Amino acid sequence: QKEVEQNSGPLSVPEGAIASLNCTYSDRGSQSFFWYRQYSGKSPELIMSIYSNGDKEDGRFTAQLNKASQYVSLLIRDSQPSDSATYLCAPSVSYDKVIFGPGTSLSVIP
Amino acid sequence: DGGITQSPKYLFRKEGQNVTLSCEQNLNHDAMYWYRQDPGQGLRLIYYSQIVNDFQKGDIAEGYSVSREKKESFPLTVTSAQKNPTAFYLCASSIAGLAPYEQYFGPGTRLTVT
Repeated sequence: QKEVEQNSGPLSVPEGAIASLNCTYSDRGSQSFFWYRQYSGKSPELIMSIYSNGDKEDGRFTAQLNKASQYVSLLIRDSQPSDSATYLCAPSVSYDKVIFGPGTSLSVIP
Repeated sequence: DGGITQSPKYLFRKEGQNVTLSCEQNLNHDAMYWYRQDPGQGLRLIYYSQIVNDFQKGDIAEGYSVSREKKESFPLTVTSAQKNPTAFYLCASSIAGLAPYEQYFGPGTRLTVT
């Protein structure tokens, strides 16, 4: 059974701080990794994709991938109240589909 | 504007009735997906399709059916055989290729069966 685990929430950080979201996955064959943000009652929105080991930065977001450790993370710098949402990690499990983690709820306190 | 539309936003049905959820995309994507989300949980894959007239079962296909007669459309039917159909249903699409590409989601349909 292929699994994805995310750090249990809810995670609370003060405004302006760095939020760190972690994800581990069981499938060593995973090649593509995606982070989605989901506001309450809304559909998921893609915020980052990463395919190679190392860091990938996009604005205030940085994704970090370590395939040997089967670990992917998302850092949000200068966290804003508008970042308060659930973040879903989604590694690939085959060439044509991904599996979603249970999500980590983030709350940014003004 | 390119995007994915799902209709209706809210749907109420009586137990024992089949219901069809609509999903249309104008992104020219080959791949389309249906997921189900229950409160406080992640997304679970119901069915997916990489090409017209072909589709595959996901992890929780029992009680559901789909068709893919057009590239733009991937309707999902929730049948009376689905034991617990009340959920948030999400449709997504992506480029199809040799590796999973980014999936983009529609706004979702909330189905309530009583």
